[in-house]
Amino acid sequence: DTAVSQTPKYLVTQMGNDKSIKCEQNLGHDTMYWYKQDSKKFLKIMFSYNNKELIINETVPNRFSPKSPDKAHLNLHINSLELGDSAVYFCASSQEVPGEYTDTQYFGPGTRLTVL
Amino acid sequence: RKEVEQDPGPFNVPEGATVAFNCTYSNSASQSFFWYRQDCRKEPKLLMSVYSSGNEDGRFTAQLNRASQYISLLIRDSKLSDSATYLCVVNTNAGKSTFGDGTTLTVKP
Repeated sequence: DTAVSQTPKYLVTQMGNDKSIKCEQNLGHDTMYWYKQDSKKFLKIMFSYNNKELIINETVPNRFSPKSPDKAHLNLHINSLELGDSAVYFCASSQEVPGEYTDTQYFGPGTRLTVL
Repeated sequence: RKEVEQDPGPFNVPEGATVAFNCTYSNSASQSFFWYRQDCRKEPKLLMSVYSSGNEDGRFTAQLNRASQYISLLIRDSKLSDSATYLCVVNTNAGKSTFGDGTTLTVKP
């Protein structure tokens, strides 16, 4: 029973290609996220969706476009891939508790993207 | 200045040692605080939330000092299995978490 799943786990592609990463959570959470972890292991938030609406859009190139068909899914589409896009991309989800600020995040296993 | 700063380490300690990590944050309006653990080539996982009164979970103790804007994690009686990267996380607004760059711990026999 995987709580947050991502596909594919590994993605190797050429510069200039367009690729998508899919994420699904079965926790019933309202909020989903995409993070990028680069070669230096720094974890940076890219996007956050709450009930299918974009609520956080950090400074990322507009080649990156998230899409949330429903609150259990948040996909990431990347156009015109560049060498610098090589990283591990993590999806996560959380559930805000009214009156509290607990919102623990549950992460997917990551997608290791390599752009050649 | 980064929103969340951690000493990157690495911390190399023998089994049984006590080790402490600190993390400072810049936004005084931050609401919630966490420590996550990330093993090599794995996803981050929640280790513990950090409450104003401080909290303990077995060998792990977390403290929050709002006045000085830092949180800490103390690990007692270190085990080999504690070797990992420890990430400090601060929620500054609903829906946004800022991760520190992590502190690497290696526990040696």
